[in-house]
Amino acid sequence: GAGVSQSPSNKVTEKGKDVELRCDPISGHTALYWYRQSLGQGLEFLIYFQGNSAPDKSGLPSDRFSAERTGGSVSTLTIQRTQQEDSAVYLCASKRGYQETQYFGPGTRLLVL
Amino acid sequence: AQRVTQPEKLLSVFKGAPVELKCNYSYSGSPELFWYVQYSRQRLQLLLRHISRESIKGFTADLNKGETSFHLKKPFAQEEDSAMYYCALRCLGIKAAGNKLTFGGGTRVLVKP
Repeated sequence: GAGVSQSPSNKVTEKGKDVELRCDPISGHTALYWYRQSLGQGLEFLIYFQGNSAPDKSGLPSDRFSAERTGGSVSTLTIQRTQQEDSAVYLCASKRGYQETQYFGPGTRLLVL
Repeated sequence: AQRVTQPEKLLSVFKGAPVELKCNYSYSGSPELFWYVQYSRQRLQLLLRHISRESIKGFTADLNKGETSFHLKKPFAQEEDSAMYYCALRCLGIKAAGNKLTFGGGTRVLVKP
């Protein structure tokens, strides 16, 4: 079946602009995660959604970052007033149950000029 | 807080030679350990997890709780093993941890012909 998809695959923006990154998880997966992959920082957890529960936002680096998940499926990660240090690959992953494996999307490569 | 350390950023070996990627973790509770791999231009994918105790593509990893390590080994490296490898940890039994993965910084493996 189809895996996790993300769009856009690449995004170039100017410092100070807002961006929205989209994630379509695997159908039926109740858990959804956002991670950031940047040079020198490795892979960092950003936010986690599980069903209708309140999201775990403990990894968001600042209040410029937010995410929502509509209808328990598609998720959007929004970065407001982008900064150059936001340049990274943003990865989305989804999972069906507690013991299950996380499946990753291809990522969105964000470049802030 | 939990932490995963991969001391080698780059490992270069010749085809047919053994390869060992080191992973150490710090976590006071019960962990679940994973190895993820990212081949060039492909998405991050699970290689193996310690609870499965299986060998994938000739790779094995044993969780050593005494040494808090989960080193990845392969006796005879192949050129197709060239990739980025990430060790990751999940906190078991703590709902607040949300099943998020904590990743190491990654090790790039280059297998030379």
